[in-house]
Amino acid sequence: SQKIEQNSEALNIQEGKTATLTCNYTNYSPAYLQWYRQDPGRGPVFLLLIRENEKEKRKERLKVTFDTTLKQSLFHITASQPADSATYLCARPNYGGSQGNLIFGKGTKLSVKP
Amino acid sequence: DAGITQSPRHKVTETGTPVTLRCHQTENHRYMYWYRQDPGHGLRLIHYSYGVKDTDKGEVSDGYSVSRSKTEDFLLTLESATSSQTSVYFCAIESGSATEAFFGQGTRLTVV
Repeated sequence: SQKIEQNSEALNIQEGKTATLTCNYTNYSPAYLQWYRQDPGRGPVFLLLIRENEKEKRKERLKVTFDTTLKQSLFHITASQPADSATYLCARPNYGGSQGNLIFGKGTKLSVKP
Repeated sequence: DAGITQSPRHKVTETGTPVTLRCHQTENHRYMYWYRQDPGHGLRLIHYSYGVKDTDKGEVSDGYSVSRSKTEDFLLTLESATSSQTSVYFCAIESGSATEAFFGQGTRLTVV
């Protein structure tokens, strides 16, 4: 089966700075990668999806990149705010297919200090 | 919010007893998943379903069984609960169009 890793368990940054979170995968590139936000005591909430043929995708203050050479996705939050503090998860389809059977990284806990 | 409901939200049970968790959706999505989430392990897939009566095992399926007799319901059963199955369980649904998965609120299960 595929693996997906988020190497940083925690990231602490100052309000207003850009947070950058990393997600690495093994074996062949998935058709897409997804990023989710999870708050304590809640289920994950979808944020962004980026497909294999897309280098970059943006949504408001969020930006995701997909580098098939490095087998890596970066997730950026610009002008970070304390309300952005949460755990962020990346996910990929397990068997390289285009749908179904999502596997998740362990997540990176982001803390934004005022 | 997507129409996905888990029940119960909290449960305490004794070792050796059977437990069934229910996931109900109103979105008519094809794919349904059961995950468990534990500190240090993140979300791990237990079982998933790609249609009525069509299910498959995930990474941590031992000790669990599932059933999907209707599109809207996906049941997770612990045949004989053990303390190692103390966890937070999440159900998720996905349309199958590679868009996004929607998660339920979670069920906190404690096996004593």
